[in-house]
Amino acid sequence: GAGVSQSPRYKVAKRGQDVALRCDPISGHVSLFWYQQALGQGPEFLTYFQNEAQLDKSGLPSDRFFAERPEGSVSTLKIQRTQQEDSAVYLCASSLDREGSPLHFGNGTRLTVT
Amino acid sequence: QKEVEQNSGPLSVPEGAIASLNCTYSDRGSQSFFWYRQYSGKSPELIMSIYSNGDKEDGRFTAQLNKASQYVSLLIRDSQPSDSATYLCAVTGYNKLIFGAGTRLAVHP
Repeated sequence: GAGVSQSPRYKVAKRGQDVALRCDPISGHVSLFWYQQALGQGPEFLTYFQNEAQLDKSGLPSDRFFAERPEGSVSTLKIQRTQQEDSAVYLCASSLDREGSPLHFGNGTRLTVT
Repeated sequence: QKEVEQNSGPLSVPEGAIASLNCTYSDRGSQSFFWYRQYSGKSPELIMSIYSNGDKEDGRFTAQLNKASQYVSLLIRDSQPSDSATYLCAVTGYNKLIFGAGTRLAVHP
């Protein structure tokens, strides 16, 4: 596709529900990143894939957060038993390779946990 | 100490003036540096990248990098109201891109 595509654009979940956020990166981009952005803050790193391998998940805030990219293309970020503090914009970005390439961001998914 | 630090602003400049945005970083091993612009409710958009010491110019934008001082800046010449946004400094560190909290720029007519 022309750019990074994320869905849904908005998600409202009740506390305790599980959610799944989807990211479709730019075709041919090897690297895929997930970031969390709270209001008024910069994006905070969550996890990174190179093709299907999850090379860094140090930013995932708890074991309720899980990400996968089974075929090295589309990625899903899953949040189990959502809490109010999970409310944020979740940004997906992709790049051609790992070192030095700029990231291209999707429009994000705004998650609100009530 | 945060890994990438920016003044949160707001930085207010009149139309036509030069806006100067600054960023410091803590990882001396960082090799790649980026400036992203983010309009309210939108995703970050890349405006400049810089990889070596010195200045890099692209239209009205100039990025400056000083690795010895661990400092990177962005100058916007002839600022326009459409430049009003949050500017995010991003630095590679530990094999990922680390962002500052952003500086909010307001250009008033």
